[in-house]
Amino acid sequence: QSVLTQPPSASGTPGQRVTISCSGSSSNIGSNTVNWYQQLPGTAPKLLIYSNNQRPSGVPDRFSGSKSGTSASLAISGLQSEDEADYYCAAWDDSLKGVFGGGTKLTVL
Amino acid sequence: QVQLVQSGAEVKKPGASVKVSCKASGYTFTSYGISWVRQAPGQGLEWMGWISAYNGNTNYAQKLQGRVTMTTDTSTSTAYMELRSLRSDDTAVYYCARQGSCSGGSCFKFDYWGQGTLVTVSS
Repeated sequence: QSVLTQPPSASGTPGQRVTISCSGSSSNIGSNTVNWYQQLPGTAPKLLIYSNNQRPSGVPDRFSGSKSGTSASLAISGLQSEDEADYYCAAWDDSLKGVFGGGTKLTVL
Repeated sequence: QVQLVQSGAEVKKPGASVKVSCKASGYTFTSYGISWVRQAPGQGLEWMGWISAYNGNTNYAQKLQGRVTMTTDTSTSTAYMELRSLRSDDTAVYYCARQGSCSGGSCFKFDYWGQGTLVTVSS
């Protein structure tokens, strides 16, 4: 059981907007920043969003992040087939140290 | 360009040790830290710990304290992760990832990753 809770799966059709949630507590999301990673099949994870809502250079602006209280969300607009991947949230926990969500498998229908 | 290149796959017996390397290039090695993250087959990501390439300070996940040691060799810009007393549930792909020069808070961000090293523990 992961410290950060994500839905195991999400889906959408091309062009749609989908959101993935990440729920934590006051010791992690509530007091530290959240990052999101995208893992395409058979590859290493890639930083998608950092510091709650910042995109690294090269990440399309279709991807956005937000945080409120002890929860965070990743939104993907204009869904594309190449967005089919696993998505993980991560944050520092003041007691448990580095923690990840269990991951959400996104399917593009 | 920043690259992290890891050593090859390993097969170990239960109780043995494994040491995985991660050679960095394309940036000033001592200006950052390295975290290690593992992923068991079909499972999610698990943070193992962090080492500062500047001064060798470490911060390990509580679960692995006493079994894991992270080191760096600044002369070759290489980070190492050694895991001892291997068990079957240590079977995983092990990733190194570049992190900031501090271990927690907003520094807990991995902007470049190695390609991963599969470690299989089997009798």
